[in-house]
Amino acid sequence: DQQVKQNSPSLSVQEGRISILNCDYTNSMFDYFLWYKKYPAEGPTFLISISSIKDKNEDGRFTVFLNKSAKHLSLHIVPSQPGDSAVYFCAASEGGSQGNLIFGKGTKLSVKP
Amino acid sequence: DGGITQSPKYLFRKEGQNVTLSCEQNLNHDAMYWYRQDPGQGLRLIYYSQIVNDFQKGDIAEGYSVSREKKESFPLTVTSAQKNPTAFYLCASRVYGGSNQPQHFGDGTRLSIL
Repeated sequence: DQQVKQNSPSLSVQEGRISILNCDYTNSMFDYFLWYKKYPAEGPTFLISISSIKDKNEDGRFTVFLNKSAKHLSLHIVPSQPGDSAVYFCAASEGGSQGNLIFGKGTKLSVKP
Repeated sequence: DGGITQSPKYLFRKEGQNVTLSCEQNLNHDAMYWYRQDPGQGLRLIYYSQIVNDFQKGDIAEGYSVSREKKESFPLTVTSAQKNPTAFYLCASRVYGGSNQPQHFGDGTRLSIL
């Protein structure tokens, strides 16, 4: 049973617009959430994280929102750029970053010029 | 430059053969991890190690073995018992302890069967 779900396998967005990537989880004990970006044949690159004591974390063009009651988090990228085209993975753990990460299956983002 | 180095980038295995994937980090990280990625799938944890000379099985450890004799090295052996070894293998490391430190990844090794 998948504990972390990314229900959209792909997303296409116009350059300059907002990209919103969604992630749902089932384990209410998860308390640390991360987003990674991955290009083909490369390792994932850490983008941004959020702990369960917050509902928003921002870093430049990237903002992560956490809705604990809905067990839902989202990554907003504003403005989207062609270089953002990649697969984005959502991950979660319990016990903070010392816990093992559970990954979603990823969403492939395409940003069109 | 500090980072995580995985080698080789591509590896081919014959039937019945064991192969070893290398992972080295110079970040002085305590914890190290091995993941497997299959097409259209997320990353699944094979083994992890939080300190030298200690390691734990992850979700899909069958057919794999590891060692952690040095802090900077965490090699993964794919044994002949692993019947479906074709995948992209990723190594990661993290500072152990501290407040919410993310895992950082190497660039992976793609293993294929001849």
